[in-house]
Amino acid sequence: DAGVIQSPRHEVTEMGQEVTLRCKPISGHNSLFWYRQTMMRGLELLIYFNNNVPIDDSGMPEDRFSAKMPNASFSTLKIQPSEPRDSAVYFCASSLVSLPRSTDTQYFGPGTRLTVL
Amino acid sequence: AQSVTQPDIHITVSEGASLELRCNYSYGATPYLFWYVQSPGQGLQLLLKYFSGDTLVQGIKGFEAEFKRSQSSFNLRKPSVHWSDAAEYFCAVGGAGTASKLTFGTGTRLQVTL
Repeated sequence: DAGVIQSPRHEVTEMGQEVTLRCKPISGHNSLFWYRQTMMRGLELLIYFNNNVPIDDSGMPEDRFSAKMPNASFSTLKIQPSEPRDSAVYFCASSLVSLPRSTDTQYFGPGTRLTVL
Repeated sequence: AQSVTQPDIHITVSEGASLELRCNYSYGATPYLFWYVQSPGQGLQLLLKYFSGDTLVQGIKGFEAEFKRSQSSFNLRKPSVHWSDAAEYFCAVGGAGTASKLTFGTGTRLQVTL
């Protein structure tokens, strides 16, 4: 059974370029989360979706960041234009949430290590 | 607002020694509590979770955690640490009304000496 799949695993780009990170959640899961991890800030929740609908994007740092989930099996996180301070590891996680429990285990992908020069 | 505090940034233990990692949470209702482990270069893996019922929960790799409501704590323990347990450990809290959101602590890095 495949876990959460992220691509690419590593991305090196130059400042000002557009970067697109991709995530395929576990089949059947209805919630998807994007996190960013840095030494300085730790693990930060950027945005999450329930049933493909963005629920909370308050963690998105600024307008340069955008995320979409066009269907239940795919999501993207885009940074345009990228800056050196965006360098981090970006994780995608998915979860199956069933009422009455509104929170459950999140399964993490291996992450994308982004370096912006 | 919910929050998690992991007071120990870094802990070093000898192989075979016992381990306790501390986690304190702040949450207005009954919390759902999680412990995750992250090995270098990898994503986070669930060790164990608490939703309700028995306050002592067992997880993978011989780990356990105890929920203490009176102390707002969910400490992780292992009776005998193995060198392969060296990793970073994250405590997280969520619950009803948070609409799937988990709040993670800043993590505790465990070093195991031989």
